[in-house]
Amino acid sequence: DTGVSQNPRHKITKRGQNVTFRCDPISEHNRLYWYRQTLGQGPEFLTYFQNEAQLEKSRLLSDRFSAERPKGSFSTLEIQRTEQGDSAMYLCASGAGFEDYGYTFGSGTRLTVV
Amino acid sequence: RKEVEQDPGPFNVPEGATVAFNCTYSNSASQSFFWYRQDCRKEPKLLMSVYSSGNEDGRFTAQLNRASQYISLLIRDSKLSDSATYLCVVNQAGTALIFGKGTTLSVSS
Repeated sequence: DTGVSQNPRHKITKRGQNVTFRCDPISEHNRLYWYRQTLGQGPEFLTYFQNEAQLEKSRLLSDRFSAERPKGSFSTLEIQRTEQGDSAMYLCASGAGFEDYGYTFGSGTRLTVV
Repeated sequence: RKEVEQDPGPFNVPEGATVAFNCTYSNSASQSFFWYRQDCRKEPKLLMSVYSSGNEDGRFTAQLNRASQYISLLIRDSKLSDSATYLCVVNQAGTALIFGKGTTLSVSS
């Protein structure tokens, strides 16, 4: 396990469908973060976990979004009733809980809602 | 006001040039500071942390001015491979990293 793994890499879905993304963090990292990035913007924070506890959620995370991290290992991000505005790159990152060291990002899941 | 503001560029420079990026942040409680690099359609990768005393990593020098809430990145002797988007990032204790929009650099031969 040498990095953060995200699946799928790409997802095309029709408006109104539900989608779920998975993130497997670096195994010794207890913190896991979800970000969203659209073209020309920096990553925008969505939510983060310390172990299995979801500690913070952004106002960007509407009721249609839910994230889980059962047992403090992998995490899933689900978007219900997708809208075209949900089209973005969804990035997962993990960290050891020491802010001085930054985070390691996965390659992301690119979502296109048609 | 955005929490982290950067000049989006693009900065177009020839190989060998020196280029500087600036960034300001709004929250004086911010404690950790970073520069990340992001290549086109790739994930952000940590370039370097930024310390109050200033720090250098090869051709890259980062500086922090807490009083002015200002961060900078200097790249000397630019290479073609430096072409990327550079993201200014700040963090308060116990919260997630906040990213700027990024500054795009294009180095040409």
